[in-house]
Amino acid sequence: GAVVSQHPSWVICKSGTSVKIECRSLDFQATTMFWYRQFPKQSLMLMATSNEGSKATYEQGVEKDKFLINHASLTLSTLTVTSAHPEDSSFYICSARGPGRTRGGYTFGSGTRLTVV
Amino acid sequence: QQQVKQSPQSLIVQKGGISIINCAYENTAFDYFPWYQQFPGKGPALLIAIRPDVSEKKEGRFTISFNKSAKQFSLHIMDSQPGDSATYFCAASGSNYKLTFGKGTLLTVNP
Repeated sequence: GAVVSQHPSWVICKSGTSVKIECRSLDFQATTMFWYRQFPKQSLMLMATSNEGSKATYEQGVEKDKFLINHASLTLSTLTVTSAHPEDSSFYICSARGPGRTRGGYTFGSGTRLTVV
Repeated sequence: QQQVKQSPQSLIVQKGGISIINCAYENTAFDYFPWYQQFPGKGPALLIAIRPDVSEKKEGRFTISFNKSAKQFSLHIMDSQPGDSATYFCAASGSNYKLTFGKGTLLTVNP
C-alpha cells in the first residue's frame, strides 16, 4: 500500500529558530501534497497545498513567509517553520496524493509534534 | 463557516455495542466522503469512504450510510472493541481534492 514517511516525529526548538519537517512518499509519486496543523483535541486544519515543481497555495490566514513549503520532487515535500515561536507549537501532518489515483488516494504521514520553548 | 458538522463530540460505548457517528455537509459540490481514525500522536488513517452515488458501503465492522438528499452521512461501527477507542473524523472533498474535516468524535469503548 501507499506509504508516507514524515520526519521528525517530534522536535523541540528554541524560540526564534527554524525547523524543517520532511514528508516523503515511499512507494508512489506524490504529485500533490497537503500540509495540516492540528491543535490538541481539535480537527485538522489545512495549511497549504503543494504541487511538484510549483509554488504552494496557502489557505487564508496562513503566513506563507513563516511556513515555507517546498515540493521539489515527486517524492519529497518539506515544511519549514521559520523564526518559530511558542504559538507555533502544534502537531503538523502531511498528506500525499499520487497521479492517476482515485479520489480516495490520500495517504497521511504519522505527524510531527513541534514544541517551541 | 464550518462545511462539515460532526456529532457527537464524544461517545462511550460498551464492548460489543454499536458506535454511531454522524456528519452533515453543506457544499453540494462535495463528491467524496471518507472517514478517518486517529490514535493519539499519530496521523489519520483511512477507514472507509463513499461516493454520493451509493447509499451504503460496508467493510468488515465498519459501515457508511449516505443520504444525499439530506446531505448527511454516518459511520456505524458494529461489535465495537476497546481497540477501536480513538478519534474519528469525517471529511469531504470536491474537485479540488482538498479535504474538509469535521471536528472529530472521541470514541471510548469500555471493556
